[in-house]
Amino acid sequence: DVKVTQSSRYLVKRTGEKVFLECVQDMDHENMFWYRQDPGLGLRLIYFSYDVKMKEKGDIPEGYSVSREKKERFSLILESASTNQTSMYLCASSYSYEQYFGPGTRLTVT
Amino acid sequence: QQQVKQSPQSLIVQKGGISIINCAYENTAFDYFPWYQQFPGKGPALLIAIRPDVSEKKEGRFTISFNKSAKQFSLHIMDSQPGDSATYFCAASRRGNNDMRFGAGTRLTVKP
Repeated sequence: DVKVTQSSRYLVKRTGEKVFLECVQDMDHENMFWYRQDPGLGLRLIYFSYDVKMKEKGDIPEGYSVSREKKERFSLILESASTNQTSMYLCASSYSYEQYFGPGTRLTVT
Repeated sequence: QQQVKQSPQSLIVQKGGISIINCAYENTAFDYFPWYQQFPGKGPALLIAIRPDVSEKKEGRFTISFNKSAKQFSLHIMDSQPGDSATYFCAASRRGNNDMRFGAGTRLTVKP
């Protein structure tokens, strides 16, 4: 079974803090993704990576950065958290078409 | 821009009934159309997927109907059960492109 794990299920951070969300997959997938999920908006792509050290912006990259130093690990960084970044963050990985999702991190920025 | 439009936003069905969720897409280059199921507290999981060379795909109680000319596809859940209560997302993507586009989601509630 493919397993995608995310470092935290729930996080509460203060405005202005630097926030790290970690994602690890165990299937040697080339592609990894970060989405944010908001009610009524579905899943919106923040960034994706198709190889180590490679990254591409998605639809809503502003306020976020990513890091992929190892194939199995993809990190999402909020440089200076703001209240409008309160959301559910989902990580996914894929080899081809099908994407496998982690359980999500619910981030609250106060 | 929303490339995949999904309706309805929420759906309530009685146990044993048929649940139908519809999606429409704009980009004719899309060639893979999955449906994801998400339970509370979990990430989305692939439920069923179709490619545009067929008009229908069935897996158990779940069926995708695909209309290429209308650029529409739908998920039908036959004999809906309370355990099917979840949020369903349609999506679309194309070969060689990592950019999968998701619908806004439908929250399905199946009443016992």
